[in-house]
Amino acid sequence: GNSVTQMEGPVTLSEEAFLTINCTYTATGYPSLFWYVQYPGEGLQLLLKATKADDKGSNKGFEATYRKETTSFHLEKGSVQVSDSAVYFCALNNRGSTLGRLYFGRGTQLTVWP
Amino acid sequence: NAGVTQTPKFQVLKTGQSMTLQCAQDMNHEYMSWYRQDPGMGLRLIHYSVGAGITDQGEVPNGYNVSRSTTEDFPLRLLSAAPSQTSVYFCASRTQGKNEKLFFGSGTQLSVL
Repeated sequence: GNSVTQMEGPVTLSEEAFLTINCTYTATGYPSLFWYVQYPGEGLQLLLKATKADDKGSNKGFEATYRKETTSFHLEKGSVQVSDSAVYFCALNNRGSTLGRLYFGRGTQLTVWP
Repeated sequence: NAGVTQTPKFQVLKTGQSMTLQCAQDMNHEYMSWYRQDPGMGLRLIHYSVGAGITDQGEVPNGYNVSRSTTEDFPLRLLSAAPSQTSVYFCASRTQGKNEKLFFGSGTQLSVL
């Protein structure tokens, strides 16, 4: 089946620290992989995506590389800011599954202190 | 550009009451969906629609009904609310083609007492 496992939170960091949020997946076929971010009181927004193995998605200083050999899509940022405090969701869309359906991880709460 | 609009933002119901969560999008997206978000559970798909007149069940459809009479609107109905339906509900619509992107509404926080 299709599933996403991401590291448990919450994650608390000081400003300018390095961030890694781990994400691994199980899928049949060739999924696309996504990271979504949810700021307090808002809906989810697409942060970045990768559609095939070895692709790197990047946006706002965040990066994630699609690793087929380790079935992973870890989110990284070299220097976090207070404004990055949010909940981050890893997700996959398996083209062989329900059209447009995203399978989400449980979310990781990130809090950045000044 | 309004995107995906959900109403209401907050709602409190008593067990057994019915209500409809509204969702509208102005991007002419064929695909629309409803998710619920519960602590530690991520988002789970309730129902989805691939176009007007076409709906199907997602992962957790029990207790919810949907219809899609127009491209723009995709309401979610709770016929007899239960405390287990206390959750945050998100409507989403999707672009077509290779650059697929899911657009989310801002959510409805529902409490069933």
